[in-house]
Amino acid sequence: DGGITQSPKYLFRKEGQNVTLSCEQNLNHDAMYWYRQDPGQGLRLIYYSQIVNDFQKGDIAEGYSVSREKKESFPLTVTSAQKNPTAFYLCASSIRGGGQSYNEQFFGPGTRLTVL
Amino acid sequence: SQQGEEDPQALSIQEGENATMNCSYKTSINNLQWYRQNSGRGLVHLILIRSNEREKHSGRLRVTLDTSKKSSSLLITASRAADTASYFCATDSNDYKLSFGAGTTVTVRA
Repeated sequence: DGGITQSPKYLFRKEGQNVTLSCEQNLNHDAMYWYRQDPGQGLRLIYYSQIVNDFQKGDIAEGYSVSREKKESFPLTVTSAQKNPTAFYLCASSIRGGGQSYNEQFFGPGTRLTVL
Repeated sequence: SQQGEEDPQALSIQEGENATMNCSYKTSINNLQWYRQNSGRGLVHLILIRSNEREKHSGRLRVTLDTSKKSSSLLITASRAADTASYFCATDSNDYKLSFGAGTTVTVRA
């Protein structure tokens, strides 16, 4: 089955801890994205990567970090510097980065992070 | 930054009725996309309309785009209970990312 997976589904963190959210895709997509969704809100872009070993900050990158060492994987670390990390985190991928006419994104099932 | 804004924020309809939601945006776009999100799940791509297209159909979905007004509409015909979800528009403005609106929550009553 081709798709994009995220783990864990639920994550609880104590204040001051760093946590890493996993995102894996076997769609052979070049581009990957991390979004944050708060209740009743749309998606806000945290980081995105158009190609392996390269990534760019999105609109709300402060307190987050990413790596893109493999095409299939784009983990997101929520650091202790992120003041309000409780949210629903969504990972997505697309065949290529933007600037193309067919930039449809495929989403994972999400990780719900709660800070205790 | 959030470019798209959906209207209305919430919509409740009877099964079998049509549902219409609108999206307005601010800057020029390459294409506009609509996504659906069931509660607590990831988003699913529904339809993409390019900036040089005015209307597109996919099954029970009809999307229009008016670039002069910077607006789009999504029509779901003959709604079903399974259409209950949040619907988001997303704009692709040639800057390597999509900008999502806050969404329209649709409830279809049996």
